[in-house]
Amino acid sequence: NAGVTQTPKFRVLKTGQSMTLLCAQDMNHEYMYWYRQDPGMGLRLIHYSVGEGTTAKGEVPDGYNVSRLKKQNFLLGLESAAPSQTSVYFCASNIPAREAGELFFGEGSRLTVL
Amino acid sequence: DAKTTQPPSMDCAEGRAANLPCNHSTISGNEYVYWYRQIHSQGPQYIIHGLKNNETNEMASLIITEDRKSSTLILPHATLRDTAVYYCIVRVSRRNTPLVFGKGTRLSVIA
Repeated sequence: NAGVTQTPKFRVLKTGQSMTLLCAQDMNHEYMYWYRQDPGMGLRLIHYSVGEGTTAKGEVPDGYNVSRLKKQNFLLGLESAAPSQTSVYFCASNIPAREAGELFFGEGSRLTVL
Repeated sequence: DAKTTQPPSMDCAEGRAANLPCNHSTISGNEYVYWYRQIHSQGPQYIIHGLKNNETNEMASLIITEDRKSSTLILPHATLRDTAVYYCIVRVSRRNTPLVFGKGTRLSVIA
């Protein structure tokens, strides 16, 4: 039982390049989320999904796209990377219907855009 | 979700109890208090949650005042590994909207 796994863990991009971050969870969770965290800041929600085939915008969605083709996977794409997207990206999943509704997070993906 | 206020930072001596306060004066009757922590460079980790009764688990205790306007997370015997940012979040249980994280309290456990 691996929990939430993010790949890759580190990536360096040049401005204008594209890439995809993959999040996979093996807990059969309904909801999945992508957050970003800049130095000294809290987590900000980019996009989230309430089930297979659905996505919704969060607090800072611009410049990102997402897809949830399979329940266990949630992909975050950067079509044309910008230096402002240099950040640590965290994926999370949960079942909100539970009282605790606790979020399970991945280890993070550190992205640098030059 | 009700707003929370936490001190930006705190220190605690190793082996002593760490008491992390959180004010949530606008909390409504059906909102729970949740605590998460984020150890350096890792994803946040759920600690505990409660509605109005005090709660305890293997990680921590949560004390909620009778008027529910504030709460305290207690780490009974803090270790160096408890150095982290601690987030207090107030929200309705089973709500299907994403969790919003503030800036939390940076706890430094000192040897």
